[in-house]
This record gives sequence, structure tokens and C-alpha cells, in this order.
Amino acid sequence: RKEVEQDPGPFNVPEGATVAFNCTYSNSASQSFFWYRQDCRKEPKLLMSVYSSGNEDGRFTAQLNRASQYISLLIRDSKLSDSATYLCVVNEKGRRALTFGSGTRLQVQP
Amino acid sequence: DADVTQTPRNRITKTGKRIMLECSQTKGHDRMYWYRQDPGLGLRLIYYSFDVKDINKGEISDGYSVSRQAQAKFSLSLESAIPNQTALYFCATSAPREDSTDTQYFGPGTRLTVL
Repeated sequence: RKEVEQDPGPFNVPEGATVAFNCTYSNSASQSFFWYRQDCRKEPKLLMSVYSSGNEDGRFTAQLNRASQYISLLIRDSKLSDSATYLCVVNEKGRRALTFGSGTRLQVQP
Repeated sequence: DADVTQTPRNRITKTGKRIMLECSQTKGHDRMYWYRQDPGLGLRLIYYSFDVKDINKGEISDGYSVSRQAQAKFSLSLESAIPNQTALYFCATSAPREDSTDTQYFGPGTRLTVL
């Protein structure tokens, strides 16, 4: 079983749509959670951290459910520029490096 | 100028050749990392270094070695390249924070093809 699992997609949505991705993690002692964005053939970049109480950054909302061991990313009013791969990232307790999911690809269509 | 740079950006080589990928950063971070990315597998950690004297193996270190020449430089070597090392390689840096969020900053990547 992968330590961090994501649906690879692709999620094809029209502009203006709301789309949500989930990610599950296997280590219940995981401490920190993030969403990174990766454009095609480019490097990953931090989109947002995920806090226990949930957090919002403009059109993006991230939530953490420790009991069920998943995090989610909600994108409202999708833009063409949101098309990318979204990587779920977990910092596991006792590990000195991050664990990356394989990513969920989003394609926003006009 | 970019904060994290990688050279070369693209490299095609033959099986058995020795290859070095270089990473430099101007962010002043102590922590540096090397990842490879393959389709469907995501980013996998090869080696990481938390300071010049600290080198650690990641989940897929076999066939690779690293050198931390200075705080700002972290090189990855393939002693004898093989075709299944064909991948996109990323270097990253980070600085520890009190809340353990430890954001990673990635270089632009090196696309390596081993024939």
C-alpha cells in the first residue's frame, strides 16, 4: 500500500466548476500536510499547507480529517490556469523528509 | 535569477556512463534533497542532506551517490547509468520552521535519458 494515495484523474471540468480532490495517508502519526501544484514539465510549487482546522486561500480550501486519514482540496470557480497536477504531501512523524503522492491531474476546459 | 538551479537541464547518455547532476541554491537553506519523478509514481526521494556533514539515503538510493560540497551545492552522481534511471530529476531545498511545515523549493529539473 502506498503511504500517500491519490486518484490520478484526469478530472476534466468546465470553467467555473467546483472540483474536489481527496488524498489518503497511511501513517496515523503524520504531522504536517500540504498541497503542491505541478504544471506540465515544471517543478512542483507549494500551493498551501493544510491545517487541522481547515484553511482557505481565495478559491482554494484545504481540509484535514485525521480520524479518516485524508486531506482534501476544493477549488471553486475553476479557471483555465488551474489546469495542473496537484500533489498531496505528508510529513510523517519520525521521518526527516516529505512523502509525495503521485498527483491528481486537473484539466479545466473552456 | 532562480533561487534553485540545476545543470544540465537535459542530458542524453549511454548505458555505463558516469553522470553528474548539479544543484546550486541562493536561498541560504541548510537542507537539500534529490528526487526523481517517473510517470505514475510521483516524486521519490533519492538522497537528502540537512547540512554539509549530514548525508542520508532516501527510499531509492541504489545506483546513486551524492556530494554536498558546500551549503549551497548538492550534486547527484550516477556511477554507471542504466536505462531505468531515465527520469526527471529534481533538486529541492528547505529550511526548518517551528511549526514543522518545512516548505520545499524545487529547481527546474533535469531530464535524463539513458540509452
